[in-house]
Amino acid sequence: ETGVTQTPRHLVMGMTNKKSLKCEQHLGHNAMYWYKQSAKKPLELMFVYNFKEQTENNSVPSRFSPECPNSSHLFLHLHTLQPEDSALYLCASSRITGELFFGEGSRLTVL
Amino acid sequence: AQSVTQPDIHITVSEGASLELRCNYSYGATPYLFWYVQSPGQGLQLLLKYFSGDTLVQGIKGFEAEFKRSQSSFNLRKPSVHWSDAAEYFCAVGAGWDTNAGKSTFGDGTTLTVKP
Repeated sequence: ETGVTQTPRHLVMGMTNKKSLKCEQHLGHNAMYWYKQSAKKPLELMFVYNFKEQTENNSVPSRFSPECPNSSHLFLHLHTLQPEDSALYLCASSRITGELFFGEGSRLTVL
Repeated sequence: AQSVTQPDIHITVSEGASLELRCNYSYGATPYLFWYVQSPGQGLQLLLKYFSGDTLVQGIKGFEAEFKRSQSSFNLRKPSVHWSDAAEYFCAVGAGWDTNAGKSTFGDGTTLTVKP
């Protein structure tokens, strides 16, 4: 298993910028996820995709826009973010039994 | 609603000593339980999982965990800690055999420091 790859690993952006995070999994899983990890807070599930279809949006602000063109790729498009959106964004895929395989994360800093 | 509590925010143990990290969960049905480890600057890695059957499960890196339904607990143990085990540990409960199976609820994590 070659895992889950996230790019970029680090991103600094201003509040008016538009950027995207990319995730690719080579595990043959059909489900992919975006999680947010902020300091002093538990992991927060943001979005769930199954077979390219979004099945969960956990009340995420519209300045975060996910895209899943196929079962192996997942994007998170970012625009007009706020400083409080600075966090580690983790992509994961899962088997049907639920164990998650995470990428190394994209560390986002919003200035 | 499901929830996970990890009572210990930070634990320090000496290298070679035994380790137990506590996890309590709340879930309406038979839980799917997981332990993950996160080293600084890295993503989370699955240590072990419990779905059903034997309540003592073995994982990678010499870790094991015991599911106790009566106590709603899933504590992680290791008989002899190595310096490389210093990391943050997360307990999670999942939805089970489901298309959204990876929609897990995580505890707040326990940071493990290992003294030489």
